[in-house]
Amino acid sequence: SQELEQSPQSLIVQEGKNLTINCTSSKTLYGLYWYKQKYGEGLIFLMMLQKGGEEKSHEKITAKLDEKKQQSSLHITASQPSHAGIYLCGADPPAGNMLTFGGGTRLMVKP
Amino acid sequence: GAGVSQTPSNKVTEKGKYVELRCDPISGHTALYWYRQSLGQGPEFLIYFQGTGAADDSGLPNDRFFAVRPEGSVSTLKIQRTERGDSAVYLCASSLIHRGEAFFGQGTRLTVV
Repeated sequence: SQELEQSPQSLIVQEGKNLTINCTSSKTLYGLYWYKQKYGEGLIFLMMLQKGGEEKSHEKITAKLDEKKQQSSLHITASQPSHAGIYLCGADPPAGNMLTFGGGTRLMVKP
Repeated sequence: GAGVSQTPSNKVTEKGKYVELRCDPISGHTALYWYRQSLGQGPEFLIYFQGTGAADDSGLPNDRFFAVRPEGSVSTLKIQRTERGDSAVYLCASSLIHRGEAFFGQGTRLTVV
């Protein structure tokens, strides 16, 4: 089965700083999703990447999928307290229906 | 409503009791997923519906867990003889197509005491 490992597991940054979260897969990624979750709430879709080398941006968040399609990074520029939460990467399997998630990265942004 | 709705938001039950968790997906979404999330972990897949049928129930942990979606819209996750280890947040998601962008509900926090 496909496993996703996220690093770091937790992160505390000062407001205004940039940060990067990584998601590494044990197998080739066929569809990679980034979600954000706040405590007590559901997951909010951020971005989906499918092609090797693909990069997408939304406001101050940029996600990339490497050429070999086994690693993705999420980069936040000039972090704000509103960016705080848990960031989860999820992956489509090559076949079947089970979307697999990483363990999450807990981000805190200090004002 | 505009989003995926899950009820109740919180449920506390005694060990051994039966519980039902409800998911109301976005109208028109044919794919529906149930996940379970334990504290400090990512969501774990339980079951996937395409329309009324369970296309993949390989994530259900044992036969105490069962889910239905009789009319292809609302889904109910049923847990019999609850155990303390069942305590978790149960998340429901729906998408217009399978493998498309999935929209998640707020989750039901189940606590078995």
